[in-house]
Amino acid sequence: QVQLQESGPGLVKPSETLSLTCTVSGGSISSYYWSWIRQPPGKGLEWIGYIYYTVSTNYNPSLKSRVSISADTSKNQFSLKLSSVTAADTAVYYCARRIGGVWNWGQGTLVTVSS
Amino acid sequence: EIVLTQSPGTLSLSAGERATLSCRASQSVSSGYVAWYQQKPGQAPRLLIYGASSRATGIPDRFSGSGSGTDFTLTISRLEPEDFAVYYCQQYGTSLPWTFGQGTKVEIK
Repeated sequence: QVQLQESGPGLVKPSETLSLTCTVSGGSISSYYWSWIRQPPGKGLEWIGYIYYTVSTNYNPSLKSRVSISADTSKNQFSLKLSSVTAADTAVYYCARRIGGVWNWGQGTLVTVSS
Repeated sequence: EIVLTQSPGTLSLSAGERATLSCRASQSVSSGYVAWYQQKPGQAPRLLIYGASSRATGIPDRFSGSGSGTDFTLTISRLEPEDFAVYYCQQYGTSLPWTFGQGTKVEIK
């Protein structure tokens, strides 16, 4: 049973870079789609992007200029970097795996952007 | 971008009633790559249905999904107390970016 766990700072200052890591157990990140998804407080879900077979990435055009997703196969982790953050980037950030149609999600981590 | 529009925004029903949730896509979703999730406060979304009609592991059979092309439906045959929550549809087909609907809240009448 695959498990995903997000980690990273819970508070980031405006204009800085948000960095999160998703640690995966029970499955290798070398295969399939690994995504980041976010949810602002009280709002809906937004797909941020994915890394596929650790080398191919695709990002939501709404965030493309600021986002980067990478993978570390030695640690079985993948990471999110979001630059030049503002208060609008305050959200619960989830990592998720997609195999075919089945999605597995982490529990999420709240990141607040504030000085 | 495929826009998913869920209706209604809020559904007020009693336990034991049938719930029908709609998700309409602005263009056809390839291969029926539509998922439905349930989300309760403070929790991550829980996958209910994938591929438009396949139940995820451990999901009770009172949950069913149907549809193709641009129109998809989640049906809860008889609402249990634990089913009152927010439900989201998602498309993850060949058209990027993958997108979510805005959600339908199923509340106790």
